[in-house]
Amino acid sequence: DQQVKQNSPSLRVQEGRISILNCDYTNSMFDYFLWYKKYPAEGPTFLISISSIKDKNEDGRFTVFLNKSAKHLSLHIVPSQPGDSAVYFCAAILEYSGGGADGLTFGKGTHLIIQP
Amino acid sequence: EADIYQTPRYLVIGTGKKITLECSQTMGHDKMYWYQQDPGMELHLIHYSYGVNSTEKGDLSSESTVSRIRTEHFPLTLESARPSHTSQYLCASSERDRGFEKLFFGSGTQLSVL
Repeated sequence: DQQVKQNSPSLRVQEGRISILNCDYTNSMFDYFLWYKKYPAEGPTFLISISSIKDKNEDGRFTVFLNKSAKHLSLHIVPSQPGDSAVYFCAAILEYSGGGADGLTFGKGTHLIIQP
Repeated sequence: EADIYQTPRYLVIGTGKKITLECSQTMGHDKMYWYQQDPGMELHLIHYSYGVNSTEKGDLSSESTVSRIRTEHFPLTLESARPSHTSQYLCASSERDRGFEKLFFGSGTQLSVL
């Protein structure tokens, strides 16, 4: 039973436009939500996080929005650049586990392709 | 940023061979992890360690074993590789960031068992 779902395996966006990656979750007890970015043949890198008590967090071109009533979060990238082409993983964590990564649940990822 | 290194990057071996995937980090992190990931699938935790001489199995059952004799080193061993072990193996370490542990990943080992 997948607790974190990324229903779009891939997304194509034109360079300069906004990219919106979506993530749904089922467990209302999650305390933090994280986004990781992964290039081919490399390990994921941490991108941005949001606490469950917030509804928005912004870092440069990246903004994450959280809608707790809908159990939905989204990552916005504005403007999209060619270097943003990668797989983006949504992840959620339960703080009761100490916030440790053994309590981290990943989605299957969305492959973002930025077209010139 | 944490520096974490995995070797080899790619490994192609025959069935029945014993293999060890190496992972080292230079940031002094106590917590280290091994994940397994297949294309289009989520990352699955197979092993983790919260310090020297501490190892635990993750949520995905794995026939591999790990050891943590030194803080910086967390190798993963498969005693007898099988084609079903073909996958990407990602090592990570973590440090505290507010209410959660932020993961730093190595570049991964792509294992193919023939």
